[in-house]
Amino acid sequence: DAKTTQPPSMDCAEGRAANLPCNHSTISGNEYVYWYRQIHSQGPQYIIHGLKNNETNEMASLIITEDRKSSTLILPHATLRDTAVYYCIVKIYGQNFVFGPGTRLSVLP
Amino acid sequence: NAGVTQTPKFQVLKTGQSMTLQCAQDMNHNSMYWYRQDPGMGLRLIYYSASEGTTDKGEVPNGYNVSRLNKREFSLRLESAAPSQTSVYFCASSPGTAISYEQYFGPGTRLTVT
Repeated sequence: DAKTTQPPSMDCAEGRAANLPCNHSTISGNEYVYWYRQIHSQGPQYIIHGLKNNETNEMASLIITEDRKSSTLILPHATLRDTAVYYCIVKIYGQNFVFGPGTRLSVLP
Repeated sequence: NAGVTQTPKFQVLKTGQSMTLQCAQDMNHNSMYWYRQDPGMGLRLIYYSASEGTTDKGEVPNGYNVSRLNKREFSLRLESAAPSQTSVYFCASSPGTAISYEQYFGPGTRLTVT
């Protein structure tokens, strides 16, 4: 499985875009990039996933570099409720997830 | 539509005691999962069930047993609790019969073993 590296913490001003990076330089061709978040000890919440194309949904956008060695999760207008731990996970579809320590995002008023 | 529910929310056990954590989902999902989360760490998969009647080990199955009672319910049993099993336990479900990218999580059970 490809290893992922995320910064342990980030701050973002309320209303601004939050850009969360993830490095996965050993990703293989059939591994997807998934993003989840966990708000204050609640159960994790699925955000978005992608293989090689950029993806967008109502929550966020996922930008994957052309060589697929890194990606960025973008929350376009961060609110205080987006304060959470964000997990980047790289997995072959159908294999079990391993959630690492993630990035603790603090959205500041 | 309650989603994924877990009982109890909190539990304190003494070493050697047994207990069962209950999980139920009302989304007609096929797959269900049990994870544990230790302080300051990410989640680790204990067991999962891809469909009613089937269960498979995850990353950290030792010390646990599971039962997929029916499509709705998936229970986790600790036969002889140990302090190393102090953790927050999350149940999750997903629509497909393979480990899905989109899992729906319950609120968690906070277990302390003394």
